[in-house]
Amino acid sequence: QKEVEQDPGPLSVPEGAIVSLNCTYSNSAFQYFMWYRQYSRKGPELLMYTYSSGNKEDGRFTAQVDKSSKYISLFIRDSQPSDSATYLCAMRSNSGNTPLVFGKGTRLSVIA
Amino acid sequence: GAVVSQHPSWVICKSGTSVKIECRSLDFQATTMFWYRQFPKQSLMLMATSNEGSKATYEQGVEKDKFLINHASLTLSTLTVTSAHPEDSSFYICSARGAGGNGYHGYTFGSGTRLTVV
Repeated sequence: QKEVEQDPGPLSVPEGAIVSLNCTYSNSAFQYFMWYRQYSRKGPELLMYTYSSGNKEDGRFTAQVDKSSKYISLFIRDSQPSDSATYLCAMRSNSGNTPLVFGKGTRLSVIA
Repeated sequence: GAVVSQHPSWVICKSGTSVKIECRSLDFQATTMFWYRQFPKQSLMLMATSNEGSKATYEQGVEKDKFLINHASLTLSTLTVTSAHPEDSSFYICSARGAGGNGYHGYTFGSGTRLTVV
């Protein structure tokens, strides 16, 4: 079993839809949970992060972490064509300079 | 915010030649640099971790003699792909982390380098 599992999609939704993206993980030591957005041939850009369990909201984006289920989610409300990208979940433990462990990424297309 | 400048953004080279990719932290000191490669429609795969002034630590299966990493200063790290072959064609991305206190958001990514070996 991979440390982080993420459905690669592709996921296609109409403009204005609510998008739900999620990842599961197996390492209980993970404490920091991030969502990155990556456009084609570009580096990832940080969208949201959460420390430990809980919810976090930023504009149209909401990140949720359920450590008991080892399950994290990203919700996008009122999706826009400009949201079309690959969304990567990433996580790490709390110790030192450990690298981020990424999911495979989900390709999202928002159709106008 | 923290910015990492990565160059070149794309490069085409002949098989057997070497290619150097640079990552510079513009407004912070990058004590740790992570180098990733990404194949089409795949996630980022960690290649190596380097701390300033130390030898890089390579992930299993990554040839250290082929992928030379230098992190001689707190603002510059380089990845040199030596004797490149077509199978080395990929998207290479660096990620820099600053000195303590940055927490999670110290992982600033470069914009990536698309390498094509012909």
